[in-house]
Amino acid sequence: DVKVTQSSRYLVKRTGEKVFLECVQDMDHENMFWYRQDPGLGLRLIYFSYDVKMKEKGDIPEGYSVSREKKERFSLILESASTNQTSMYLCASSRQGFISFGSGTRLTVV
Amino acid sequence: SQQGEEDPQALSIQEGENATMNCSYKTSINNLQWYRQNSGRGLVHLILIRSNEREKHSGRLRVTLDTSKKSSSLLITASRAADTASYFCATTFRVGNTGKLIFGQGTTLQVKP
Repeated sequence: DVKVTQSSRYLVKRTGEKVFLECVQDMDHENMFWYRQDPGLGLRLIYFSYDVKMKEKGDIPEGYSVSREKKERFSLILESASTNQTSMYLCASSRQGFISFGSGTRLTVV
Repeated sequence: SQQGEEDPQALSIQEGENATMNCSYKTSINNLQWYRQNSGRGLVHLILIRSNEREKHSGRLRVTLDTSKKSSSLLITASRAADTASYFCATTFRVGNTGKLIFGQGTTLQVKP
């Protein structure tokens, strides 16, 4: 089974802090994704990457950036965290249309 | 928005009954997938149906796809309390070299023992 690991399950950060959310997958998948999940809004795609050093904006990229220096690792960066970025963040990886998700990181910005 | 829409948003049934959830989407797709999420957890893949398929079964799950109506349904038969979870449909659009996965807002299912 593909394992997608998110480094933190819960995270509390202060407004204005730079925040890194890390995601690692162990099955050599080309594609990796970052979503955020909010009540009533479902999952929304922030950024995705289909290869090392390649990235594409999703539906809500504002306030976020990403880094894919190695195939197995996809990092989501909040340059200056704000309270409206309090959310559940889910990382996923895929190959040939089949996707596996990490367990999620619940980020609270205070 | 390319996002799928699910119906109903919430469903409450008794154990043993069948649960049906519907999903509609807006543009052409490569495939459609259903996921389950237990409270506070990540998503678990349930089933994938390709755009050239009309029906697929997996255990107590039955998925249908109607590309002319741009809709899909997930049927869970003989429901159990352990089926209580949120269920999401997701559609795949080809974007460059990858498939971009877009999710619906989900249906929250409660199965009462």
